[in-house]
Order: sequence, then structure tokens, then C-alpha cells
Amino acid sequence: GAVVSQHPSRVICKSGTSVKIECRSLDFQATTMFWYRQFPKKSLMLMATSNEGSKATYEQGVEKDKFLINHASLTLSTLTVTSAHPEDSSFYICSARDQLAGDTGELFFGEGSRLTVL
Amino acid sequence: GQNIDQPTEMTATEGAIVQINCTYQTSGFNGLFWYQQHAGEAPTFLSYNVLDGLEEKGRFSSFLSRSKGYSYLLLKELQMKDSASYLCAVMDSNYQLIWGAGTKLIIKP
Repeated sequence: GAVVSQHPSRVICKSGTSVKIECRSLDFQATTMFWYRQFPKKSLMLMATSNEGSKATYEQGVEKDKFLINHASLTLSTLTVTSAHPEDSSFYICSARDQLAGDTGELFFGEGSRLTVL
Repeated sequence: GQNIDQPTEMTATEGAIVQINCTYQTSGFNGLFWYQQHAGEAPTFLSYNVLDGLEEKGRFSSFLSRSKGYSYLLLKELQMKDSASYLCAVMDSNYQLIWGAGTKLIIKP
């Protein structure tokens, strides 16, 4: 089946540094990818929709300059947490849908990235 | 506003059957998804319902009633590995997924 690979799975960084998380669709092309943040015992919170070749669409309350999203190809989207602070520590998850499956196709998730900011 | 309601936590016994309910109010409807999520891992797809009725897939079944804004996930012959959170998500008219907070299922021997 379709696979979405997310890297790194765990990252620890110092406050003030930037961290990049990659999301790749391995055997399908994804025009659109989604980035979520999940707090302990909470549901997924959609942060932004990443669109190949154009600007990402951010959800209300999500800082565009803080969470930079780049979707340079049909198989890769990146999320960069800039000038990270301890409150940015969270579980970040990406997902993608095969562009051939249409809007109601199955959403495949990456493995998630656990970010800890010291 | 849009909201998805599901119980926060449920407990069941190994080998038994459990039903996890989900009610929703959304702007339009383009299908309902159930995902399983083990602690510290990303969600994995379980089922998709867009028409009323029951969809059976092995030990798991999912039911949908669009008129009632209601779905349930039925797990049979429970195994310890079924201990996880179960997320209900509805796709609205803009094809955006609205997520429930998840139901933590605890399986006891």
C-alpha cells in the first residue's frame, strides 16, 4: 500500500534553533499534503495544507513565519520550525492523499516526528 | 460550528465486543473515517463510510447514519493489541477533515 515517510522521527534541539521535518510520499504523488500537531491526549490539530508549487494554506492561529512549509515536488513537503521554543515541543504528523484518488481518497500518515525543545 | 463527539475513554475485556460511538455536526458531509492510533505513533486507517449502513472488515465494523449524524466502530474478539485511541473524523463540504478528540480504549485481560 501507499507509504508516507516522515523524518526525523525524534529530534531534540536547543531553544532558538530551527528544525526541519521532511514528509515524503514513497509510491504515489501528492499534490496536497497536510501538517498536524498533536498534544498529549489531544486530537490532531491541522496546522496547514501544503500545496505543490504554491504557498501553503495555514489554519487560523498558526504563525506562518514560525512554521515554514515548502512543497517543492509532488513527493516531498517540509515543515521548518523556526527559532524553536519549549512550547513548540510536540508531536508533528504529516499526511498525504494520492492525487489520483481524488478528494475522498484514503489519507496516509507519516510516522510522526517528536520534537523536544530544551 | 463544527464538532465531533466521541467518548474520552472506554474499558473492555479481552475477547469481548466494544462499540465506540461518534456523533457529528459539520458543514456538509463527504464521508466519515475511523483511525487507530497507538501511543506515540501516527494514526492508521481503519474504515471509510460515505453511505448509510454497516461496513465489515474482519474484526472491525463501522456503521453510519447520515440522517442522525452518527457512526460507530465495532470491535469484536478484542485483543490486547487493540488497546489504542480511536479517532473519528468527518470530511466536510470543503473536503477538510474534522477530527474528534479520540477515544482511548483500554483492554483488560
